[in-house]
Amino acid sequence: NAGVMQNPRHLVRRRGQEARLRCSPVKGHSHVYWYRQLPEEGLKFMVYLQKENIIDESGMPKERFSAEFPKEGPSILRIQQVVRGDSAAYFCASSPSGPLGYGYTFGSGTRLTVV
Amino acid sequence: EDKVVQSPLSLVVHEGDTVTLNCSYEVTNFRSLLWYKQEKKAPTFLFMLTSSGIEKKSGRLSSILDKKELSSILNITATQTGDSAIYLCAALVLNFGNEKLTFGTGTRLTIIP
Repeated sequence: NAGVMQNPRHLVRRRGQEARLRCSPVKGHSHVYWYRQLPEEGLKFMVYLQKENIIDESGMPKERFSAEFPKEGPSILRIQQVVRGDSAAYFCASSPSGPLGYGYTFGSGTRLTVV
Repeated sequence: EDKVVQSPLSLVVHEGDTVTLNCSYEVTNFRSLLWYKQEKKAPTFLFMLTSSGIEKKSGRLSSILDKKELSSILNITATQTGDSAIYLCAALVLNFGNEKLTFGTGTRLTIIP
């Protein structure tokens, strides 16, 4: 029973390039959440998606960041024209039927480094 | 803005010691308080606390919520080197009809053999 799979584990991008982070939720989970963890900081909520819908994007920066969770395939967090300040660990979590913390399963994260 | 504060930020103790980690929250529409352990990878779930004053236990770990004081503690007794990790607490809040987790910055616990 695979958990939440995130790839790549590590991603290096030059300033101005695009970064695509992928998250495959636990089989049967239809709710996906993205969090960002800056060095020495806690996890910050970014966006909550259900299949084909963005439910809550109150934590997403207004520009350059977008997320989707298509009917088929993984959820994608996309960062356009990356800057050094985007360097962070990005974690995805999934749950079977909406939040209720104990149902969350986290992935191992993608560590993005912008050079 | 919702806020979750953890203390201490870091803690170094010897194996066998007992530690208490603190978490306080100032959030609107509070539902529950959760504790996670984060080693090098994904945070793993420890406890979810919804009712005040009821202790939850799992082996050497225990936790309790005080809704009057808007706080929670996580206790670890007879610590082992494998307990070294970042411990995160998070408040589950209702946000525009949807629930979401607001995390603290974590307590980095280091156990010295």
